[in-house]
Amino acid sequence: AQSVSQHNHHVILSEAASLELGCNYSYGGTVNLFWYVQYPGQHLQLLLKYFSGDPLVKGIKGFEAEFIKSKFSFNLRKPSVQWSDTAEYFCAVRSGRRALTFGSGTRLQVQP
Amino acid sequence: DAGVIQSPRHEVTEMGQEVTLRCKPISGHDYLFWYRQTMMRGLELLIYFNNNVPIDDSGMPEDRFSAKMPNASFSTLKIQPSEPRDSAVYFCASSTQDRGPMSPLHFGNGTRLTVT
Repeated sequence: AQSVSQHNHHVILSEAASLELGCNYSYGGTVNLFWYVQYPGQHLQLLLKYFSGDPLVKGIKGFEAEFIKSKFSFNLRKPSVQWSDTAEYFCAVRSGRRALTFGSGTRLQVQP
Repeated sequence: DAGVIQSPRHEVTEMGQEVTLRCKPISGHDYLFWYRQTMMRGLELLIYFNNNVPIDDSGMPEDRFSAKMPNASFSTLKIQPSEPRDSAVYFCASSTQDRGPMSPLHFGNGTRLTVT
């Protein structure tokens, strides 16, 4: 069975700080990887996705994620966060034709 | 594109009452998913449908939960009888496989359920 782990449950950063949110999955086969973001009071939105090719994926709003197959990881990064990045971030994995499995989420709080 | 539409946005009910959550997927999408979000467990997949047929309902917590998709444009998630531990935000999402398995999910705004 596929599973996703997000070890950082709550992250607090100051504006302009760099961000890295960890995501590890457990599935040995081919996977599709996603990061979703949920801004306060809003629904989940796709931030970026990986399916093949360049393991460094660029998403919206300056976010990027790197797929490291040997580490079963897909960490989310942003060089300089803004107050508007305050949100909850979910990593998700899909293998084959299974539905998406989400991690437990990381709540990011950016202080001005 | 109206997006995925869920109703109601908020539901407050007493323990033991029946609750019905509704979802209208994006037109043309052939996959529909029901997720539950709680502080303790994050996002959990409850059930998903493909072409109106339930494919995987292993995430449905117990027999009190049931989901139907009578046609391509409508789905319901029913809880009968409801319990306080069912309090959560329930999300419906849809997708299409026209771009293969990488098609992203489109989420509705969710229904916040409070059972007192």
